[in-house]
Amino acid sequence: GAVVSQHPSWVICKSGTSVKIECRSLDFQATTMFWYRQFPKQSLMLMATSNEGSKATYEQGVEKDKFLINHASLTLSTLTVTSAHPEDSSFYICSGLEGGTEQYFGPGTRLTVT
Amino acid sequence: AQSVSQHNHHVILSEAASLELGCNYSYGGTVNLFWYVQYPGQHLQLLLKYFSGDPLVKGIKGFEAEFIKSKFSFNLRKPSVQWSDTAEYFCAVTPLSGTYKYIFGTGTRLKVLA
Repeated sequence: GAVVSQHPSWVICKSGTSVKIECRSLDFQATTMFWYRQFPKQSLMLMATSNEGSKATYEQGVEKDKFLINHASLTLSTLTVTSAHPEDSSFYICSGLEGGTEQYFGPGTRLTVT
Repeated sequence: AQSVSQHNHHVILSEAASLELGCNYSYGGTVNLFWYVQYPGQHLQLLLKYFSGDPLVKGIKGFEAEFIKSKFSFNLRKPSVQWSDTAEYFCAVTPLSGTYKYIFGTGTRLKVLA
């Protein structure tokens, strides 16, 4: 199957700083990537849909100015959490859409804001 | 609104017991259906998927699922579970309406006792 990587796998940052998470499709081109958030012992919540070369589409309730998404190429999408606060601590997962209908998920990035 | 329900939130079984996890969705159109597994500390892995054809789908690790369109259900089954099946299981649905967004169920946490 198609492979998606994320970097870093774990990041700790101080409150008020920004942190960038990278999502790469390693062996396929992903015109569409998705960003999810997963709280402990909960399901995945879709945050936004990222399309290469255009602005991301955010789900209702997700602050676009706080969670900046850039899909600069067919293999790379980035999520920047700006002015992070402890409540932003979570597990962030990306996926790439391959073959039109199936998403392949990255391993996730655990963000801890102190 | 479209939704996916997993009625069993926590399931505890002994090894060799049979497993059935329920998944129901609310959407009147054509959908693709998925079951994912997330082992402790690991990322999502695809167990099986249904796009079309035979409604009984066989996946990896001895899992299977049956799509019953009239009941809007896609239940996951395994005839004999193993301790290594301890994990969280997520059902996901994507309506074939162009966005390819996944709607995830709330997940079922399975614990298999050795």
